[in-house]
Amino acid sequence: AQRVTQPEKLLSVFKGAPVELKCNYSYSGSPELFWYVQYSRQRLQLLLRHISRESIKGFTADLNKGETSFHLKKPFAQEEDSAMYYCALSGSNDYKLSFGAGTTVTVRA
Amino acid sequence: DAGVTQSPTHLIKTRGQQVTLRCSPKSGHDTVSWYQQALGQGPQFIFQYYEEEERQRGNFPDRFSGHQFPNYSSELNVNALLLGDSALYLCASSLWVSGNEQFFGPGTRLTVL
Repeated sequence: AQRVTQPEKLLSVFKGAPVELKCNYSYSGSPELFWYVQYSRQRLQLLLRHISRESIKGFTADLNKGETSFHLKKPFAQEEDSAMYYCALSGSNDYKLSFGAGTTVTVRA
Repeated sequence: DAGVTQSPTHLIKTRGQQVTLRCSPKSGHDTVSWYQQALGQGPQFIFQYYEEEERQRGNFPDRFSGHQFPNYSSELNVNALLLGDSALYLCASSLWVSGNEQFFGPGTRLTVL
């Protein structure tokens, strides 16, 4: 069975402070990990995926297979980063996404 | 390109009724997946269609069925609605050969009274 856990439902940080969203997963195999973001009144959109190893909007995420984690980080949060963030996983041979429950991030001025 | 589109935006039904939700994929995409998102939860995978066939199915009862048309658009049907079916239903499209990069629609909000 595959499972994604996001332990924090809410995260509040000040503008300019670092932010880290935690994501842990369970999967017997080689998963593909994603972070999706949903800004207010917008649709769910892909932020980044681990295989691309990109930094998007200043965010990075490293897949740690030993700790089965895929935490999302940004060194200096901006007010426009306020949104709902979902960590998601898919198996190596299937295309369905398993999502965590999400973390609401609020960046305060 | 308008991206993934879904209709209707909102829907209110009563218990026992049947509902059909519609999805048009992003231009160039051939695969459609459906998700159910209950309040305060992440999306849950219902099923996926490619080449007009159901390719994968999540843990949902047979009351949930779907269809994909030759133009790649898709429908989600739910029979014998229950109060617990109230949720946001999301459609996502992708390109089969590209794997898992899925683009989501705005969703259909279904309320069952």
